[in-house]
Order: sequence, then structure tokens, then C-alpha cells
Amino acid sequence: GDSVTQMEGPVTLSEEAFLTINCTYTATGYPSLFWYVQYPGEGLQLLLKATKADDKGSNKGFEATYRKETTSFHLEKGSVQVSDSAVYFCALSDRGGGGSNYKLTFGKGTLLTVNP
Amino acid sequence: ETGVTQTPRHLVMGMTNKKSLKCEQHLGHNAMYWYKQSAKKPLELMFVYSLEERVENNSVPSRFSPECPNSSHLFLHLHTLQPEDSALYLCASSQEYVKSSPLHFGNGTRLTVT
Repeated sequence: GDSVTQMEGPVTLSEEAFLTINCTYTATGYPSLFWYVQYPGEGLQLLLKATKADDKGSNKGFEATYRKETTSFHLEKGSVQVSDSAVYFCALSDRGGGGSNYKLTFGKGTLLTVNP
Repeated sequence: ETGVTQTPRHLVMGMTNKKSLKCEQHLGHNAMYWYKQSAKKPLELMFVYSLEERVENNSVPSRFSPECPNSSHLFLHLHTLQPEDSALYLCASSQEYVKSSPLHFGNGTRLTVT
């Protein structure tokens, strides 16, 4: 079945440091890939997405490239801010079995803390 | 009001109580979802409604009962819960029930079962 593996946290960085959160996936079809972010006390928000190989999703300085050859969708940001402290979830959406239109699979989440 | 709104934000209930969680989306979306978020576990999909019809029911115990009276509203009726049901319950919606359609989440209801 489909699965998403993202790096275990927590990740602690200083302000203006470079961020990478690794995400790899397994899927039987041609999935769409997403990064969601969850700030304290809130629900998840879509951060960026990519729907086919070599697509780059980007938003708020974050980027991730859909790499089919390495089945990866790593999240990067060149210079993090304190306000980026949150939990980041990698997710894939693929054609589901059993008659469902699609199935969305989430990783376990990576807690990022950025210190001033 | 825009987005996905969930009420109440916090709920404490005993194991013999009956309560309901409410979700409303103001985005004109056609699909709505219930997820359970527990500490140190991946998000668990509970139910999916597309065009007001239930299309997913992921082996959820019968003490959880969803209701979708129209495309804007989704309820989760709770009865005879167990302490292990304590979690953050998230409602979400998407434009369509297709793989490229991202989810829009509410802020969740923090449920504590005593």
C-alpha cells in the first residue's frame, strides 16, 4: 500500500538557518504530493503541492520538487523565521482501492522549532 | 465567515454522555472529511462524504456516527466513548473528491473523554 516517510523530529534551528525536511514515499500509481503545516492550536493548512514528476511547489519561501526517480518530495527553505515554528506533514494522494476515488496518506509530522 | 469552522473547540465528556461535533464550510466545496489526530500517530481518516453521500468509512467504531445533511455541514455524533477516543478531531473539505484537490482543515475540536 501507499506510505509516506518523513524525517523524525524535532528539528531545532536558529533564525535564518537553512531548512530541509526529508520526505519519501511509496505509491502504486502516480500520486499528487503535498506539504501541510500545522501551527499550535490550529488545524492543518496546505503549504504547497505538486501533481506530477519534476513539478516544483512553492509558497512563503518554502519549496519542494516532485522527484519520481528517488520517490522524494523534500521540503526546503533558505532562511527560516521564528514564525515558521510548527509541525510539517508530508502527504500523498493516489488512486485508492476498493472503489474509492482516491486515498490521502499522511506522514507522522515533523516538529520544527526556530529560535531567535 | 470564510473557511472551515468547527464547534465546539473543546469538549469534555463522560463515557456515558452523548454529544455532537459540528463542522461548517463556507468554500462551496463538494467533499467533507473527518480525521482523528492523536499524539505520536499519523492522521487517521474516519469518514468521507462526497456530494452528501458517504464514500469512505475506515473501520470506525459504531460509537462514532457521522451525518452530512447538506454539502456545507458535517456532524460527528458521539456516544459511549472510551478514554482512548480522546484526541483532536479535525474536519476538512475539498473542492472535489479527487486526488489533486487539496484539503482545507478547520481548527479542530479537542475532545477529552473522562
